Amino acid sequence: SAVISQKPSRDICQRGTSLTIQCQVDSQVTMMFWYRQQPGQSLTLIATANQGSEATYESGFVIDKFPISRPNLTFSTLTVSNMSPEDSSIYLCSVGPGPSSQHFGDGTRLSIL
Amino acid sequence: GENVEQHPSTLSVQEGDSAVIKCTYSDSASNYFPWYKQELGKRPQLIIDIRSNVGEKKDQRIAVTLNKTAKHFSLHITETQPEDSAVYFCAASRRGSSNTGKLIFGQGTTLQVKP
Repeated sequence: SAVISQKPSRDICQRGTSLTIQCQVDSQVTMMFWYRQQPGQSLTLIATANQGSEATYESGFVIDKFPISRPNLTFSTLTVSNMSPEDSSIYLCSVGPGPSSQHFGDGTRLSIL
Repeated sequence: GENVEQHPSTLSVQEGDSAVIKCTYSDSASNYFPWYKQELGKRPQLIIDIRSNVGEKKDQRIAVTLNKTAKHFSLHITETQPEDSAVYFCAASRRGSSNTGKLIFGQGTTLQVKP
């Protein structure tokens, strides 16, 4: 399966600031996905990122709050904008589908003060 | 909308016993059902998956069953060991040339295996 690297692994941010999370894959993939996992909760899909097109956002998530870039087939970024304490979560990228299912990066643990 | 219900939310078993986790999905077009194991502080890891054209799949101590008519699928772990203790998530998706394959996750089951 693809090796997925996420940066940063964790961060503590001030309210009102923005943070960009990077996701790098060691092979070219068609689909990249961004999920949020709030403390003690399940995973919720934020958006699907395709190379060369706008990301597709799920209900409850908007581009102004979570802008996504997908400049090529091995890289994507998710920005969490104008952060508030409610944005404290783990943010995970995953890749797929392909011959195997989606595999996740190690995630970015984000705390907002 | 698409929804996956997972039960139970917590499950405690004695080492060596079996554990069963059940999920129900709402989207009848779902055709792919993976299970993920997430240990504390780690990323979810795929442990087994099943496609809609198969009713059962086994991999050593783990098995998954699918009932398409009832829109149910279940994870079975036999001869549980303490290292099986984790949070387990079921998921459902549509996989095909015109679909993204996005995963809809259940709420998770915290499995505790007591030595």
